[in-house]
Amino acid sequence: SQQGEEDPQALSIQEGENATMNCSYKTSINNLQWYRQNSGRGLVHLILIRSNEREKHSGRLRVTLDTSKKSSSLLITASRAADTASYFCATLKTGANSKLTFGKGITLSVRP
Amino acid sequence: IAGITQAPTSQILAAGRRMTLRCTQDMRHNAMYWYRQDLGLGLRLIHYSNTAGTTGKGEVPDGYSVSRANTDDFPLTLASAVPSQTSVYFCASSLTLAGGTDTQYFGPGTRLTVL
Repeated sequence: SQQGEEDPQALSIQEGENATMNCSYKTSINNLQWYRQNSGRGLVHLILIRSNEREKHSGRLRVTLDTSKKSSSLLITASRAADTASYFCATLKTGANSKLTFGKGITLSVRP
Repeated sequence: IAGITQAPTSQILAAGRRMTLRCTQDMRHNAMYWYRQDLGLGLRLIHYSNTAGTTGKGEVPDGYSVSRANTDDFPLTLASAVPSQTSVYFCASSLTLAGGTDTQYFGPGTRLTVL
């Protein structure tokens, strides 16, 4: 089963609105990362948050992490049509030899 | 700097044929990965390598093999392709094996169809 599961599966918003995407996971993590994938392309790393961090910002992106609830959220403020893409959370479990585990992704559509 | 390149971009393959997907990175990253991406299933790790000369099995390794003769190249081989291997394959690399704050860099993908 997936370690990270995103919610919702799909999101459609109007340009200028904020987009909030959520990720839940099952086991203790070292860090959680968000990636973006444009149609027909490879994934691109957006932001990483460590298990001892609660919030990080990068431009229009804001990521929060609640380890007690085993959940994270990605907020994109003032969305643009160019933000249309799939977004994936990926978790790195604690422990030696751990590898990133990706969720199934959220499809975000931003209408111009 | 190209980052990660994959070849071919797409391929249609008859079942039972052998196929090698190529992946090359020029970032001198130690770790490399192969994923497959299927609708509704997300990305699943097939094989990985934490340094030249070593490889390991991921979540879905059956039917695939890899080699890591040098730092830059990490080919994925399907010895005898089956239709269930129809997928989009992504190669990725990171400085080390997803440890600490390392992030992964992805290639553009290979779309493989097995008939």
